[in-house]
Amino acid sequence: YVVTQPPSVSVAPGQTATIPCGGTDIGTRSVNWYQQKPGQAPTVVIYNSADRPSGIPERFSGSKSKSTATLTISRVEVGDEADYHCQVWHSTSGDFVFGSGTRVTVL
Amino acid sequence: QVLLQQSGPGLVKPSQTLSLTCVISGDSVSSNTVSWNWIRQSPSGGLQWLGRTYYRSARSQWYHEYESSFKSRIIVNPDIGQNQFSLQLKSVTPEDTAVYYCARHVAWFDFWDQGSLVTVSA
Repeated sequence: YVVTQPPSVSVAPGQTATIPCGGTDIGTRSVNWYQQKPGQAPTVVIYNSADRPSGIPERFSGSKSKSTATLTISRVEVGDEADYHCQVWHSTSGDFVFGSGTRVTVL
Repeated sequence: QVLLQQSGPGLVKPSQTLSLTCVISGDSVSSNTVSWNWIRQSPSGGLQWLGRTYYRSARSQWYHEYESSFKSRIIVNPDIGQNQFSLQLKSVTPEDTAVYYCARHVAWFDFWDQGSLVTVSA
């Protein structure tokens, strides 16, 4: 099972960043999103497709359609610059699958 | 608060076995509600799940599950006495050079260690 992400997204401060994660029938799966800053381990920003852990700003939101899950970052700040990885569990194989990651650059 | 601390060699020769250990603080390797995982990140940046171990009391059984492409050369084992789990990856090649992470999984990967670079080189 493969999930695809664009390698990079650029956005101006205060604007909205939209990061897609594509996969067959991803709309039927629970999707998690991780933020990773240089030299650090990933941390979850969205779990179960649309839920935010405590401490994550409301500016971060998740949604999905039949074949695409989306992480949206509203009112982007310089501190949001990082790599973002989507992740699903493929029930047939039992594998956890990550997307290749999207680097968000704040212009 | 869960803390994971990884140890192991940073340099492994080709064809040898990569061995890493992850010590758990703040939780138990025998927990009935989580799993203990190894994940790596290649120099190109993508994350790859390698495998996991977990215990379920309903069947009094330990489970070991591995990513499909690694099944022939990977072992992930718990060590109950030391409250830790380990990774053994056999017959490594330079393509196994990566940052290796250990992580706890609930319904997502919620706690990670800081990661350790393992280089495969003669």
